[in-house]
Amino acid sequence: DSGVTQTPKHLITATGQRVTLRCSPRSGDLSVYWYQQSLDQGLQFLIQYYNGEERAKGNILERFSAQQFPDLHSELNLSSLELGDSALYFCASSGRGRLGRDTQYFGPGTRLTVL
Amino acid sequence: SQQGEEDPQALSIQEGENATMNCSYKTSINNLQWYRQNSGRGLVHLILIRSNEREKHSGRLRVTLDTSKKSSSLLITASRAADTASYFCATDGGGGADGLTFGKGTHLIIQP
Repeated sequence: DSGVTQTPKHLITATGQRVTLRCSPRSGDLSVYWYQQSLDQGLQFLIQYYNGEERAKGNILERFSAQQFPDLHSELNLSSLELGDSALYFCASSGRGRLGRDTQYFGPGTRLTVL
Repeated sequence: SQQGEEDPQALSIQEGENATMNCSYKTSINNLQWYRQNSGRGLVHLILIRSNEREKHSGRLRVTLDTSKKSSSLLITASRAADTASYFCATDGGGGADGLTFGKGTHLIIQP
């Protein structure tokens, strides 16, 4: 158990809908990262938050957004969903985090299926 | 684009044998991490090696890093059936970029 929790475990929705994925980092970790894993794209970094502020952006679509709250949990919002958004979404957290030089611990993931 | 590229893509060995996986990357890094993933489940962190380190051990795992060749290897000794999984190398962006860049992974199968 990495100490990173994600809810829900599974999500099934229809095209055009909007969903919110939730992540709680390990106790004391200030950085939260979001990743997407799909068969065709592999594992891709989406976005990082550090202590409530956006720190770095990866291959995140404009239809996707994230935020980190004062209690350090994070949410990833996916809107106008398309079939191609079906994937495993992982959250990771790390300690010192601001320079990304620390181990990232991954949650169990949320499997999103868009029908 | 993917930074790390693992080799081989798939590896099947007998239980008790050693398994070696390689990873190559393209740009400068601060550190390189290896992760294991069991069939569609979460990523488990195995080991982190920093750019100023050349070798690191953790239990049955041995990782090497050659920054001049931009490559790393993961050796699992005395393999067990439970080691069957996909193994990924991941590099940080260097230069302040924080998100990890993953390779496509090596799928390791340990035959009992």
